[in-house]
Amino acid sequence: EDKVVQSPLSLVVHEGDTVTLNCSYEVTNFRSLLWYKQEKKAPTFLFMLTSSGIEKKSGRLSSILDKKELFSILNITATQTGDSAIYLCAVEARSGAGSYQLTFGKGTKLSVIP
Amino acid sequence: GAVVSQHPSWVICKSGTSVKIECRSLDFQATTMFWYRQFPKQSLMLMATSNEGSKATYEQGVEKDKFLINHASLTLSTLTVTSAHPEDSSFYICSARLDSFEAFFGQGTRLTVV
Repeated sequence: EDKVVQSPLSLVVHEGDTVTLNCSYEVTNFRSLLWYKQEKKAPTFLFMLTSSGIEKKSGRLSSILDKKELFSILNITATQTGDSAIYLCAVEARSGAGSYQLTFGKGTKLSVIP
Repeated sequence: GAVVSQHPSWVICKSGTSVKIECRSLDFQATTMFWYRQFPKQSLMLMATSNEGSKATYEQGVEKDKFLINHASLTLSTLTVTSAHPEDSSFYICSARLDSFEAFFGQGTRLTVV
């Protein structure tokens, strides 16, 4: 059974701090790992990672994948109150039926206080 | 980016009735769509994976006879909550995948069963 574990479950930091969110996985037929930011309603896509060791950056956010150790981290530098959200990690893998399925972690709830 | 439209945004229905929620990819063809449910203060729960032209794959614990999913075309998937009860009240979100593996989310549907 495919498994995605995120840690920590919840995190409270002050504005300006740097945070690292973790995502480890156990899946067969791995294809990609995705990070999403969920605020209020529908999640927004952040990154998709398919190759080990290549950092993806978008502003203050960055992410990297380690396919050998089966984990990914999401870094947020100089956090702002607007970064407060639930961050979801999902792993895409090929299912037995030949299609692709996403397995989500439970998310990390980040709260940034002024 | 790609647009996924979900309709309706919110619906109130009586116990025992059925409710249909539509998920459309407006500017791309989606061979795979996902349906999620969100409980208050919790992360998204994947309910099922819908592949165009074939039966949906349901996650463990999700009643396939209660949550009917139809993916009749490459741009439309529907979720029908049959014989709805108050415990089915929730926020339902769909997402549609491009071939590049990015998943784009609909706006979500708030279902309230009274």
